[in-house]
Amino acid sequence: KAGVTQTPRYLIKTRGQQVTLSCSPISGHRSVSWYQQTPGQGLQFLFEYFSETQRNKGNFPGRFSGRQFSNSRSEMNVSTLELGDSALYLCASSRSTQGTEAFFGQGTRLTVV
Amino acid sequence: GEDVEQSLFLSVREGDSSVINCTYTDSSSTYLYWYKQEPGAGLQLLTYIFSNMDMKQDQRLTVLLNKKDKHLSLRIADTQTGDSAIYFCAEISNTGGFKTIFGAGTRLFVKA
Repeated sequence: KAGVTQTPRYLIKTRGQQVTLSCSPISGHRSVSWYQQTPGQGLQFLFEYFSETQRNKGNFPGRFSGRQFSNSRSEMNVSTLELGDSALYLCASSRSTQGTEAFFGQGTRLTVV
Repeated sequence: GEDVEQSLFLSVREGDSSVINCTYTDSSSTYLYWYKQEPGAGLQLLTYIFSNMDMKQDQRLTVLLNKKDKHLSLRIADTQTGDSAIYFCAEISNTGGFKTIFGAGTRLFVKA
């Protein structure tokens, strides 16, 4: 069974631009969570989507948004990029809520220059 | 608030046992997880333990949970160079809605 797929794997953007990252969960999984990983802050929870609804949100500014489609695929958008947004963005899928086992994708490495 | 703490580095010799420790604060945690991250990769779930268990063994991995002290440990027996990675402890917190709280990760170095 295919794992969690994140695209693209690498991305370079300039300050002020916006970016959209994509995550395809494991087939049958309805929950998708997004995390930002940086050397200084570790893994920070961004948000979780379940059945196209945002169920939970971390402490990130409104520039970070997401959505989930009816096929459970999820996108994450960051507008007005800042240098500090450079990070590895990880997506995790679970069968139901975050209270169950999560499987991670390989991540999208975003570099903002 | 919820918090998960781990030591940042651990160095062991190949063949020795590694013990990675973690403390958490949220007593409502239902599941506690250990993930492994190798360079350039996402997180791989290694094992997990329910909050009503004290111990779980899975081949070379042993998880111990002291719920009273909110202390979790991962023991890797016969550590190999391929075990070199960052290990994350995580709790599923139900404070203000389910969410996963990760520790900062422990970087394990295995010396040949």
